[in-house]
Amino acid sequence: KAGVTQTPRYLIKTRGQQVTLSCSPISGHRSVSWYQQTPGQGLQFLFEYFSETQRNKGNFPGRFSGRQFSNSRSEMNVSTLELGDSALYLCASSLAGGGATDTQYFGPGTRLTVL
Amino acid sequence: QQQVKQSPQSLIVQKGGIPIINCAYENTAFDYFPWYQQFPGKGPALLIAIRPDVSEKKEGRFTISFNKSAKQFSLHIMDSQPGDSATYFCAASGNTGTASKLTFGTGTRLQVTL
Repeated sequence: KAGVTQTPRYLIKTRGQQVTLSCSPISGHRSVSWYQQTPGQGLQFLFEYFSETQRNKGNFPGRFSGRQFSNSRSEMNVSTLELGDSALYLCASSLAGGGATDTQYFGPGTRLTVL
Repeated sequence: QQQVKQSPQSLIVQKGGIPIINCAYENTAFDYFPWYQQFPGKGPALLIAIRPDVSEKKEGRFTISFNKSAKQFSLHIMDSQPGDSATYFCAASGNTGTASKLTFGTGTRLQVTL
């Protein structure tokens, strides 16, 4: 079974621009979560989508948004990019949304650099 | 607010040694505690996970010890190998409503030398 795929793998943008990242979950997985990984803040939860609905949200500004499609694929959008948004953005999928019996599988991430 | 504290930040052990990584949590609603391993350029991969109704879980060379009263848990890697050199993250998540939201520790960079 193919793993979680994320595109693109690398992105370079300038301040003020917006960016869209894509995540394809493992076949059959309905939950997709997004995390931001930086050297200073570590891994931080952005949001989770399940059946096309945002089910959980972390403490990030409204510039960070996402959506999920009927095939469970998910996109994450960051508007008005800031230098501090430079990070590795990780997507994780699971069957139904985590917890003791529901492993989250991570993709390789998209490395975003904001200049 | 950091809800999962992880230590040490880095660790160097010789091949065959037993590195131990410790984590402490604050939120008593957490009921699922996974450990992830991350190699450079890769996403985190689940190693082993535990629920608070057991005090220890072993999978291969990896063991989690869990102390519910102290709100602490640790990862032991038996007979460590150079291939175990990676960054290890502990994590925690809550009940069904927030089960998908993993709160991660800050990570431990492990180096296993020959």
